[in-house]
Amino acid sequence: RKEVEQDPGPFNVPEGATVAFNCTYSNSASQSFFWYRQDCRKEPKLLMSVYSSGNEDGRFTAQLNRASQYISLLIRDSKLSDSATYLCVVNWYSSASKIIFGSGTRLSIRP
Amino acid sequence: EPEVTQTPSHQVTQMGQEVILRCVPISNHLYFYWYRQILGQKVEFLVSFYNNEISEKSEIFDDQFSVERPDGSNFTLKIRSTKLEDSAMYFCASSGAHRGSTEAFFGQGTRLTVV
Repeated sequence: RKEVEQDPGPFNVPEGATVAFNCTYSNSASQSFFWYRQDCRKEPKLLMSVYSSGNEDGRFTAQLNRASQYISLLIRDSKLSDSATYLCVVNWYSSASKIIFGSGTRLSIRP
Repeated sequence: EPEVTQTPSHQVTQMGQEVILRCVPISNHLYFYWYRQILGQKVEFLVSFYNNEISEKSEIFDDQFSVERPDGSNFTLKIRSTKLEDSAMYFCASSGAHRGSTEAFFGQGTRLTVV
């Protein structure tokens, strides 16, 4: 089983739509969870951390289910500028820190 | 805003040559990482570095690769004898002003082309 697994997409949705991405992780010792965004040929940039209680940042909502080892990202009222690849990222550390990326879900917003 | 910087932005090298990719992490961070991304593929973990030693490495990070933090500010990735399949974008990242702070910040990457 892959350490971090995501639906690769692509998701092609109209502007204004709501879109949801899911991600599962295999290591139950995983400690921290994030969503990153990557634009074409650019570096990954932190979109938001994911907390156990769920958290929201404007149009973005992230959820974590530790029992099912699953995290999600919801984007409401999508904008053209949301078009990017969304990376699920998991960090676990015991004596070391290891940050693992999912393969990414490509999102394309059409006018 | 503090940022991770990488040099060069693009490196072209002949197969079999050694390359050194350079990174300056965010100054108060404790963990340092190298990742690579082959064009069109996922971001792959190579190595993490903490307290002046490798803390974790992937299967990709074989004997051809090494990392160093020579002077307390730079963090380098050396590839001893490059192969065509080493062509990729290499990202440096740093995290952890303290252990509870784990989000990683990435440099803009070095595009390595092996010919």
